[in-house]
Order: sequence, then C-alpha cells, then structure tokens
Amino acid sequence: AQKVTQAQTEISVVEKEDVTLDCVYETRDTTYYLFWYKQPPSGELVFLIRRNSFDEQNEISGRYSWNFQKSTSSFNFTITASQVVDSAVYFCALNMNRDDKIIFGKGTRLHILP
Amino acid sequence: DAGVIQSPRHEVTEMGQEVTLRCKPISGHDYLFWYRQTMMRGLELLIYFNNNVPIDDSGMPEDRFSAKMPNASFSTLKIQPSEPRDSAVYFCASSPGTSGRRDEQFFGPGTRLTVL
Repeated sequence: AQKVTQAQTEISVVEKEDVTLDCVYETRDTTYYLFWYKQPPSGELVFLIRRNSFDEQNEISGRYSWNFQKSTSSFNFTITASQVVDSAVYFCALNMNRDDKIIFGKGTRLHILP
Repeated sequence: DAGVIQSPRHEVTEMGQEVTLRCKPISGHDYLFWYRQTMMRGLELLIYFNNNVPIDDSGMPEDRFSAKMPNASFSTLKIQPSEPRDSAVYFCASSPGTSGRRDEQFFGPGTRLTVL
C-alpha cells in the first residue's frame, strides 16, 4: 500500500527558531516522486519541491532545506530562522511512477509566533 | 500570467440542489486535476484529465459527482443532488504535459462549498 504519514498535526514555534516537519512514506515501487506543498491562510497550495527516488542529495533553498533518506523512507523539511510568514499548512505528497495518483499526507499546521 | 482560475470562490446551497464548480487551467497545460479537501479526509484526488480526456476518476465518491472538460481551457465538476457531507473546499490544479502526474501542479484558490 502507498501511504504518506505526517505525524505532526500541529507545531508552534517562536519566530527565528528552526523547525523540522516530518514526512514518512510507504511504497513498494523503486521509482517514485516526493513533493512538498505549502498552503498559506489564503488557501491556495503552492509547490515547494519535487524529488525523485534516485536523487538522495539533500536540497537547500534559502531558509528551506529537505532531507531525503530512502533507508528510513523519510523526506523531512526544515525551516531555519523561521518567520511569521512561514505560518501555513505543509503537505508532503507521493507519486509512484507506475500509478496516476498523487497521495497527499494529512498536512502539518505550522504556527510561527512573533 | 494568470494562474488557475476557479469559480465561484464560495457556494452555499441547500441539500438536493445541483452545484457546478468551474475551472480554467493555465494556458498550455495538458493536465487538469480536481481535488477535495476536508478536515477528516485531507486532500483527495477526485479525477484528472489529460488533453481533455478523463484518465482516472476512481476518486469520484459516487454517481452524484461528474466532471467534464469540453475544451483545453475549461472544466466543470458537478454534484447532483448535493448533500451536506459534500461540504468541502474543492481545488482545481493544472500541470504541464511532459509527465503531468509527477510535474509541479499549479493550484487554483479553491471553491468553498457549503451544503445546508
């Protein structure tokens, strides 16, 4: 079965703290794609990153970084020096190469407190 | 550039009424997706189209739901008759054609549907 688990339902941190959002996935496929999306209070989902299963290099984009570990089936997302504008719901998602569906996790609601 | 456009943004209707949600994808995108978001079930893929053809509708909850894409710039999601449990935010998304299901998807602002 294919599944995406975001165990953290809600997280609150004080501005400027670092925060890591966890994502664990399940799939028997060897080729798959992982995504992170952000849903700010305005409601529209915004794409953040895509990673294929053959690329385990970690990625950094400004204050955002992603840690992909196939050994633990995890694709975690870290925000360093968090800002109030980072407050949003963050979704991890999985697509299998042989399947048409994109499976989203339930999301993690992140509150950055001023 | 205009993003994905959805209308209406909010819809309140009474149980039993027909509801039609509309979506205009980004020009040039070959794939169009309809999602439903609820607190209980999260974000669910309902159906998606490639070049105006429905490819997978296994996520459509029941026969009361139907979707069409008469041309590359317009799609509708219809619920007839509507029920209170259909209350949710419905998102439309589109993506380019190279490998649509694994490309970045561009989401519309969503339609918040309330069925009384």
